[in-house]
Amino acid sequence: QKEVEQNSGPLSVPEGAIASLNCTYSDRGSQSFFWYRQYSGKSPELIMFIYSNGDKEDGRFTAQLNKASQYVSLLIRDSQPSDSATYLCAVPGNTPLVFGKGTRLSVIA
Amino acid sequence: GAVVSQHPSWVICKSGTSVKIECRSLDFQATTMFWYRQFPKQSLMLMATSNEGSKATYEQGVEKDKFLINHASLTLSTLTVTSAHPEDSSFYICSARNGGPNSPLHFGNGTRLTVT
Repeated sequence: QKEVEQNSGPLSVPEGAIASLNCTYSDRGSQSFFWYRQYSGKSPELIMFIYSNGDKEDGRFTAQLNKASQYVSLLIRDSQPSDSATYLCAVPGNTPLVFGKGTRLSVIA
Repeated sequence: GAVVSQHPSWVICKSGTSVKIECRSLDFQATTMFWYRQFPKQSLMLMATSNEGSKATYEQGVEKDKFLINHASLTLSTLTVTSAHPEDSSFYICSARNGGPNSPLHFGNGTRLTVT
């Protein structure tokens, strides 16, 4: 049974700081990794995906993957109050994605 | 690309009535779509997998006679909540993939169902 673990938070960061969200996964064979953002009362939105070890940058977001240690992280630079949301880490599974329980991020103005 | 549209965004209905929710893939074809339910402050829960041209696959504990799923075309799946009760009030979200099993899910905007 694949598992994805995230710290539920809340993670509070001041506006303009870097927010670091972490995720570990159990299946060493996982090949793709996704980060979703979910605002309260809204559906999840895909914000990043990464397939290879290393870093992938997209605007203020950077996904980092370390397959040897089985963790994937999401960095948000210059955090804004509008980044306040729950961030879900997910890997492909039978269900069809296995989600972590999400980390709640609060960016304080 | 990979836009999933869901309608309606919200619906209020009386106990005992049925409600239909539509999910469309706008710019890709989806032989499989996935229906989730989410209660306040809880995780997404997969309800069922909708398969184009065949029966849906339901997760354990989900009543297939209550949550009717039809996937009549490669771009449209519908979820009908039959004989709705207040405990069916929830946020229903559909999703689909534009690619193979290692590709991400794209979610519709969700439907907020309130049963009075």
